[in-house]
Amino acid sequence: AQKITQTQPGMFVQEKEAVTLDCTYDTSDPSYGLFWYKQPSSGEMIFLIYQGSYDQQNATEGRYSLNFQKARKSANLVISASQLGDSAMYFCAMRGGTSYGKLTFGQGTILTVHP
Amino acid sequence: KAGVTQTPRYLIKTRGQQVTLSCSPISGHRSVSWYQQTPGQGLQFLFEYFSETQRNKGNFPGRFSGRQFSNSRSEMNVSTLELGDSALYLCASTKTGGNTGELFFGEGSRLTVL
Repeated sequence: AQKITQTQPGMFVQEKEAVTLDCTYDTSDPSYGLFWYKQPSSGEMIFLIYQGSYDQQNATEGRYSLNFQKARKSANLVISASQLGDSAMYFCAMRGGTSYGKLTFGQGTILTVHP
Repeated sequence: KAGVTQTPRYLIKTRGQQVTLSCSPISGHRSVSWYQQTPGQGLQFLFEYFSETQRNKGNFPGRFSGRQFSNSRSEMNVSTLELGDSALYLCASTKTGGNTGELFFGEGSRLTVL
């Protein structure tokens, strides 16, 4: 069984500062993928970043980077230079085993960016 | 390139009715999966399809069903609607026939059951 834990129900950050959203996971699958999604109040689930378990380098996508620490089973999202438009719910998710489209999600972290 | 398209975006039904939701994946994507999102339960996996075959199914009653067509488009159906079926239903697609690679969601279909 797979499990994703996001321990921060809510986070606040000042505009232009960096913020880290925590995610830990648990799985017995040797091969898995880790995802971060942003969900604004409109409900759309926006893909941010993906990290494969065998990827040697941490994934980066513009202002987003994934701090992947395999031994600690953590996959924290770092958002640099926060913008007001970053205020949203953020979900960490995992895919493993023989799944193509089956993700296990965490409970999410609400990020609020203050001007 | 067009993203994942879900229709309808919003709908209101009454208890006992049935509903069909549609999902068109990104062109070239052959895997489609469905999720239910509610405030209480969060995001829960419903089922996934690849090449018209159901590959995985979540822990939902038989009232929830789905299918995938030869063009990779997918539909999900909920029969005998209950109040608790009110939720945001999200569809996602991915390209590869494996467990790697990115997975993209549509904007969702928001169902209200009265």
